[in-house]
Amino acid sequence: RKEVEQDPGPFNVPEGATVAFNCTYSNSASQSFFWYRQDCRKEPKLLMSVYSSGNEDGRFTAQLNRASQYISLLIRDSKLSDSATYLCVVNPNQAGTALIFGKGTTLSVSS
Amino acid sequence: DGGITQSPKYLFRKEGQNVTLSCEQNLNHDAMYWYRQDPGQGLRLIYYSQIVNDFQKGDIAEGYSVSREKKESFPLTVTSAQKNPTAFYLCASSTDRRREKLFFGSGTQLSVL
Repeated sequence: RKEVEQDPGPFNVPEGATVAFNCTYSNSASQSFFWYRQDCRKEPKLLMSVYSSGNEDGRFTAQLNRASQYISLLIRDSKLSDSATYLCVVNPNQAGTALIFGKGTTLSVSS
Repeated sequence: DGGITQSPKYLFRKEGQNVTLSCEQNLNHDAMYWYRQDPGQGLRLIYYSQIVNDFQKGDIAEGYSVSREKKESFPLTVTSAQKNPTAFYLCASSTDRRREKLFFGSGTQLSVL
């Protein structure tokens, strides 16, 4: 099982749609989880951290399910500007290791 | 404004040539990282450094070398031993030892002539 797995997509949705991405991780000792956004040929930028209780930031909601070892990102009322690749990132919480990035899920929002 | 600066934006390497990618940050971050990204792939860690004069190999360090002589600078050299160097290279830094929030430079696209 790969360490961090994401559905690569692409997800093609119309403006205003609600879309959800899932990500699974293999290391049950992982403590911290994040979603980064990456525009084409640009650097990734932190979108939001994912907390055990779930957290919301405007149209974006992130949730963590430790029992099933997956995290999710929900985007409501999609905008054209949401078109990007969304990277799931896990901190394995092991000495000598760094963050582990998923391959990303590509979202394309059309008018 | 504080940030991370990578240069050049585009770099071309001839066969058998070593090239160096620059990464400078003025965020006063202790930790710095180099990642490689291939099309349709996730970021893979090449090297990272948590303090000056110390660095560790990541998952794909072969064919690469780094130095950390100053807190602000973490250059990456792609040596001739790296047989498939064409990729998008990203430098990042973070403020804490848990390395949870990364700030990235704008990247360098390296291609082989």
